[in-house]
Amino acid sequence: AQSVTQLDSQVPVFEEAPVELRCNYSSSVSVYLFWYVQYPNQGLQLLLKYLSGSTLVKGINGFEAEFNKSQTSFHLRKPSVHISDTAEYFCAVSGTSYGKLTFGQGTILTVHP
Amino acid sequence: NAGVTQTPKFRVLKTGQSMTLLCAQDMNHEYMYWYRQDPGMGLRLIHYSVGEGTTAKGEVPDGYNVSRLKKQNFLLGLESAAPSQTSVYFCASSYRTGGNQPQHFGDGTRLSIL
Repeated sequence: AQSVTQLDSQVPVFEEAPVELRCNYSSSVSVYLFWYVQYPNQGLQLLLKYLSGSTLVKGINGFEAEFNKSQTSFHLRKPSVHISDTAEYFCAVSGTSYGKLTFGQGTILTVHP
Repeated sequence: NAGVTQTPKFRVLKTGQSMTLLCAQDMNHEYMYWYRQDPGMGLRLIHYSVGEGTTAKGEVPDGYNVSRLKKQNFLLGLESAAPSQTSVYFCASSYRTGGNQPQHFGDGTRLSIL
């Protein structure tokens, strides 16, 4: 069984400040890790994914995430946020069984001017 | 580029009514999924399909049925709607995968059961 915990339900931040959204997972097997973003009244879009190899992965819109196997974490970071980054962010894990995703509870990022 | 299209976008039902949500994808994806999104709970898998004519239960399948008669379409049915099924429903699709392919999502269907 897999589970995902996003440690913050809401993160407020000022424009141009750095941000980190935290994600921890548990699984008895090797997993693939994803971050998705959901803008208001839209579906989910892929931000980035970790499959294997380098533990630092870069995604769209200047986001990056670091896979830490020993701490079972996959935290999302951006060095300088913009108003347009305001959205809900979901961390998800996939095992090898038909690509089924297990999602975290979501983190609402609000960027203030 | 249509991607994944869900219809309808909004619907209000009365308890006990039935309805079908339609998902269509034009990317020739093998796998399709139905999720529900509730506040503070993320997305939870209802049912999924790994090919035309196949379906399987996900994490929260009770009260829902699905069908995949054509590769491009995946239907989600509520036979007797209940207030607990008020939610936002998302369809997603992906290439045949052992887990390393991302899923592509529709824009969702907001369903209210009164």
